[in-house]
Amino acid sequence: ILNVEQSPQSLHVQEGDSTNFTCSFPSSNFYALHWYRWETAKSPEALFVMTLNGDEKKKGRISATLNTKEGYSYLYIKGSQPEDSATYLCARLSGSARQLTFGSGTQLTVLP
Amino acid sequence: DTAVSQTPKYLVTQMGNDKSIKCEQNLGHDTMYWYKQDSKKFLKIMFSYNNKELIINETVPNRFSPKSPDKAHLNLHINSLELGDSAVYFCASSQRGNEKLFFGSGTQLSVL
Repeated sequence: ILNVEQSPQSLHVQEGDSTNFTCSFPSSNFYALHWYRWETAKSPEALFVMTLNGDEKKKGRISATLNTKEGYSYLYIKGSQPEDSATYLCARLSGSARQLTFGSGTQLTVLP
Repeated sequence: DTAVSQTPKYLVTQMGNDKSIKCEQNLGHDTMYWYKQDSKKFLKIMFSYNNKELIINETVPNRFSPKSPDKAHLNLHINSLELGDSAVYFCASSQRGNEKLFFGSGTQLSVL
């Protein structure tokens, strides 16, 4: 994997459903993996910063895991609510240039 | 108080003009960035400044120049605007060692 890739590109779920999406990234020269939540007409807000293989972070109903050896991270949302509707971005921080490279995001729509 | 503020929010201008977008952060961060949201909604790094020194300069046209009078400000100056410069530009800041980004609200630039 050369770039940061996210899947799916978009997702529609019913209120109350749990969901998850994937971020894949180059595992070489890895420093950190960020998740951001980006609501329409607002600016991205940081959810998690993870650095260690096996890291798990949780914030309310949202959690994330990290596998640096195989180069992927999962974001989970339990019991989705309409206010969870947003684009979820992941970004990989490389060790050398300390540059964040963003994926294209997963656009989540939670239907009431 | 807004942590990262950028002005103007909207900028409509004619091709060939020179314009500036201002950014200020009151978080005490030592690094500031400019990102461009491209047509596919990707956030692409343009510049970053750490302690008044340019540390990342992606392959952007030299019509774009960042100016940082102090570590709380990073302005973006654009000369000879072209139609393809139309995009949303985001300012962000972070503290080196953490790199969690705090974004401004974005400036939507439209070149006519």
